[in-house]
Amino acid sequence: GAVVSQHPSWVICKSGTSVKIECRSLDFQATTMFWYRQFPKQSLMLMATSNEGSKATYEQGVEKDKFLINHASLTLSTLTVTSAHPEDSSFYICSASGGTNGASTDTQYFGPGTRLTVL
Amino acid sequence: GEDVEQSLFLSVREGDSSVINCTYTDSSSTYLYWYKQEPGAGLQLLTYIFSNMDMKQDQRLTVLLNKKDKHLSLRIADTQTGDSAIYFCAESGTGRRALTFGSGTRLQVQP
Repeated sequence: GAVVSQHPSWVICKSGTSVKIECRSLDFQATTMFWYRQFPKQSLMLMATSNEGSKATYEQGVEKDKFLINHASLTLSTLTVTSAHPEDSSFYICSASGGTNGASTDTQYFGPGTRLTVL
Repeated sequence: GEDVEQSLFLSVREGDSSVINCTYTDSSSTYLYWYKQEPGAGLQLLTYIFSNMDMKQDQRLTVLLNKKDKHLSLRIADTQTGDSAIYFCAESGTGRRALTFGSGTRLQVQP
């Protein structure tokens, strides 16, 4: 099956610094990537939808200037948490879809997640 | 908006069957999914069902869908200790490709 990787798997940073998380589709071209956030013992909440070559669409309440998303190629999307604060500590999970017709029939493949801890 | 609800916790004995339930509100849901998440790990897609189906079986897993009641269930036969994890129900709808997840059900399998 399709494989999605994330790097790093775990990062600890100081408050005020920026952290970049990569999401790669290893064996397929992902026209759309999704970024989710999961707080401890909670469900996944969609942060943004990223289409290759265009600006990401952010969910209500997600600051686009704080969570910068770049989807410059069909196999890579990056999420940069700028000026991170302790409340940004969370598990960030990406998913990738290789569909081209925009239908719900396209399966999403999830990455293993990145655990961010901001001190 | 879309809403997906699950019970929070289920405990079964090894060898028994587990049934995890999920309800959703969006009548336009087209695909419904079950994901498994082990501690500290990402999501593993277990199975999915298209909204025009009412049952799907895959080895030990059986998914039942009652579209009228907007109720989805996942049955795990012969539950093993390795099945202990959090199980998320999720749905996607027409024109909406991002998934809406339930809160997750923690399955504990006692030896």
